[in-house]
Amino acid sequence: DQQVKQNSPSLSVQEGRISILNCDYTNSMFDYFLWYKKYPAEGPTFLISISSIKDKNEDGRFTVFLNKSAKHLSLHIVPSQPGDSAVYFCAASANTGGFKTIFGAGTRLFVKA
Amino acid sequence: GAGVSQSPSNKVTEKGKDVELRCDPISGHTALYWYRQSLGQGLEFLIYFQGNSAPDKSGLPSDRFSAERTGGSVSTLTIQRTQQEDSAVYLCASSLRGGLMETQYFGPGTRLLVL
Repeated sequence: DQQVKQNSPSLSVQEGRISILNCDYTNSMFDYFLWYKKYPAEGPTFLISISSIKDKNEDGRFTVFLNKSAKHLSLHIVPSQPGDSAVYFCAASANTGGFKTIFGAGTRLFVKA
Repeated sequence: GAGVSQSPSNKVTEKGKDVELRCDPISGHTALYWYRQSLGQGLEFLIYFQGNSAPDKSGLPSDRFSAERTGGSVSTLTIQRTQQEDSAVYLCASSLRGGLMETQYFGPGTRLLVL
């Protein structure tokens, strides 16, 4: 049972346009959400996060939106740059005593010059 | 000073052999995590160490998998009697205290291929 789902395995965007990566989750106990970015042959690196008490968090070109009622979050990258081409993982965690961060399968973003 | 390091970077082994994967976390980080990523899959949680607490082993897929963390620093993930389905990239991460809102810093991974 996948608790964090990224239904688009890949996304292609023109340089300068907006990239929107989507993520859905099933566990209403999740209260913290993160996006990680991964280049080939490297480990994932943290990109941006959002707490469940917020619906938006912005950091430069990156904005994460959270819709708790829909159990949906999205990552917006504006403007997209070729260097943004990578795999993006959505992750969620819950402060329920035990530890576990659940990651989605990832979306590969291609930004075309 | 570096980040999280893992060794070896690549490992090819024959089915049935044992393998050991090593992780050196960031100095001072008390929390250490192991994940694996199979082809086309997300990051699958395996095990979590935090300080001197008993590790959370809930993600280990079978009793062929075990992990140790010696002296609160270096960790070794051992897979006994490897199977072809164990082929994956094994990623290690560390964080300062292990809080759920903390950033995890990942190593480059060990790519394991079981023939």
